Amino acid sequence: DAGITQSPRYKITETGRQVTLMCHQTWSHSYMFWYRQDLGHGLRLIYYSAAADITDKGEVPDGYVVSRSKTENFPLTLESATRSQTSVYFCASSSELAYQETQYFGPGTRLLVL
Amino acid sequence: GQSLEQPSEVTAVEGAIVQINCTYQTSGFYGLSWYQQHDGGAPTFLSYNALDGLEETGRFSSFLSRSDSYGYLLLQELQMKDSASYFCAVRDSLRGGATNKLIFGTGTLLAVQP
Repeated sequence: DAGITQSPRYKITETGRQVTLMCHQTWSHSYMFWYRQDLGHGLRLIYYSAAADITDKGEVPDGYVVSRSKTENFPLTLESATRSQTSVYFCASSSELAYQETQYFGPGTRLLVL
Repeated sequence: GQSLEQPSEVTAVEGAIVQINCTYQTSGFYGLSWYQQHDGGAPTFLSYNALDGLEETGRFSSFLSRSDSYGYLLLQELQMKDSASYFCAVRDSLRGGATNKLIFGTGTLLAVQP
């Protein structure tokens, strides 16, 4: 049971480049989320998805694009990376059940933008 | 909007009891969750309180007072492995109803000393 995986685990890129972070879950959870974690800010929601082909913005969506063509995958793309996007990115998923509180997090991707 | 406040750091000794507080301001309330995150790791779900009172799970307990917009996580018989960050979280609301989005506090770093 793989659960929820992210790739790559570490990424170094340069300002202006496009970067895609991958997220895959094996539970068929309806909901998927992308967070970024920076010191002093906790976990901030970038985008989330309630189902395939349904996505919505979170707290900090600028500079990011998401898609969800399949239930199990939720890639996050930085269209033109900036240094301020250096962060740890976590993907998470949860069941569609009402008041399901548990979100399951992937291991994270550590991104450095030079 | 939703906001949560928790102490940034707490220090305790092995074997002791520690309480991590969380106060929240929400436009609608649908329960308080707690997550644990070890350094370099992913957040993992610990507990959830929808109603007032204490929920116990082994050495960890979580308390909620909805009238005071306050909750806490209680860790007993502290062990070195409990050194981690602890986040409280509430559900975001939209048009008077709960969503599956979580709003996280900025986290409390617990340092357990020998």
